[in-house]
Amino acid sequence: GAVVSQHPSRVICKSGTSVKIECRSLDFQATTMFWYRQFPKKSLMLMATSNEGSKATYEQGVEKDKFLINHASLTLSTLTVTSAHPEDSSFYICSARVFGTVVAFFGQGTRLTVV
Amino acid sequence: DQQVKQNSPSLSVQEGRISILNCDYTNSMFDYFLWYKKYPAEGPTFLISISSIKDKNEDGRFTVFLNKSAKHLSLHIVPSQPGDSAVYFCAASDGGQNFVFGPGTRLSVLP
Repeated sequence: GAVVSQHPSRVICKSGTSVKIECRSLDFQATTMFWYRQFPKKSLMLMATSNEGSKATYEQGVEKDKFLINHASLTLSTLTVTSAHPEDSSFYICSARVFGTVVAFFGQGTRLTVV
Repeated sequence: DQQVKQNSPSLSVQEGRISILNCDYTNSMFDYFLWYKKYPAEGPTFLISISSIKDKNEDGRFTVFLNKSAKHLSLHIVPSQPGDSAVYFCAASDGGQNFVFGPGTRLSVLP
């Protein structure tokens, strides 16, 4: 399958700072990228969908000013958690899909801990 | 309202036996279904999928069955191996932007 690389895999930051997570499709062009958050022992919660070159579409209840998503190229999307708080600590996962296909491929996830 | 349901949060199976993971959906617009496997602290990996025009798709030890009238699909793993122990997510798509995951079933394959 296609390869999606997510970086960093683990990050610890201080409360009030911002953290950027990168998601790259390594061997294909991803017209659509998705960002998920997983709470402990819960399913994947879709946060937002981003299409290359346009603004991300956020799910209800997700603050777009807090979770900034940029999808400037067909191989890179970034999620920036701004002014992080301990309750933002979670496992964040991106996935990417090629236009016209259904299968989404996932990155390895980023464990964010805000102290 | 959960559009994709996996009613069994966990399942234990003996090594070598069959594992059957179930998934139900409510949205009749879904026409493509996928199964993903997830280990702790990793992203999900794609396992197998099925289009709504089929009722069965097989790939090695993994077979997915789809019953459109019942809005039900299942993943069969046979024979089950200890390395299959993971959380399995069922996902459904309407072919567009709508891509919904179920809550997952934790499979434990006992040696």
